[in-house]
Amino acid sequence: GAVVSQHPSRVICKSGTSVKIECRSLDFQATTMFWYRQFPKQSLMLMATSNEGSKATYEQGVEKDKFLINHASLTLSTLTVTSAHPEDSSFYICSARDRGGYRDRGVDEQFFGPGTRLTVL
Amino acid sequence: DAKTTQPPSMDCAEGRAANLPCNHSTISGNEYVYWYRQIHSQGPQYIIHGLKNNETNEMASLIITEDRKSSTLILPHATLRDTAVYYCIVRVANSGNTPLVFGKGTRLSVIA
Repeated sequence: GAVVSQHPSRVICKSGTSVKIECRSLDFQATTMFWYRQFPKQSLMLMATSNEGSKATYEQGVEKDKFLINHASLTLSTLTVTSAHPEDSSFYICSARDRGGYRDRGVDEQFFGPGTRLTVL
Repeated sequence: DAKTTQPPSMDCAEGRAANLPCNHSTISGNEYVYWYRQIHSQGPQYIIHGLKNNETNEMASLIITEDRKSSTLILPHATLRDTAVYYCIVRVANSGNTPLVFGKGTRLSVIA
């Protein structure tokens, strides 16, 4: 199946600093990527939808000025957590939809990255 | 997308079949049933999907009731590596740019 990577896999930063997380689709093009956040023992919560070449769409309650999303190419989306605070500590996961998967295999799959664990001290 | 209901947790002995149920009584005619799983500290992984016929792949089997109001994911010979949270999601196929919405899922523990 298609592969999605994330970098870094783990990051620790000081309160007030900014952290950038990269999400790449390695063997397919993704016009749309999604960013999720997951707190311990909870399910994945959608943060935003990232569209290549246009502004991201944020879910209610997610601050767009705090979580900056850039989808500069068909294979790369970045999430920047600005002025991070301890409550931003979480597991951040991106996903990308392989449109070719539906065309070729009839499966509307979303492929997920391995996640980035952010710890803000 | 229709709402799904899953038991919060289940145990299964290693080597036995794991049967994970999902209720989706409000499913629409054009909605598929998708199953994903998430192993601890990893991203979710696609398992299988189906519309109304039973489906099988190298990972699992999916049994959908005739009225489509419920389904069961079957892992035929569960191993310790199958310990994960399993999510049942109902959505229209080829949903464009609609993201997957995750419920609470079922935490499956495979016991040696």
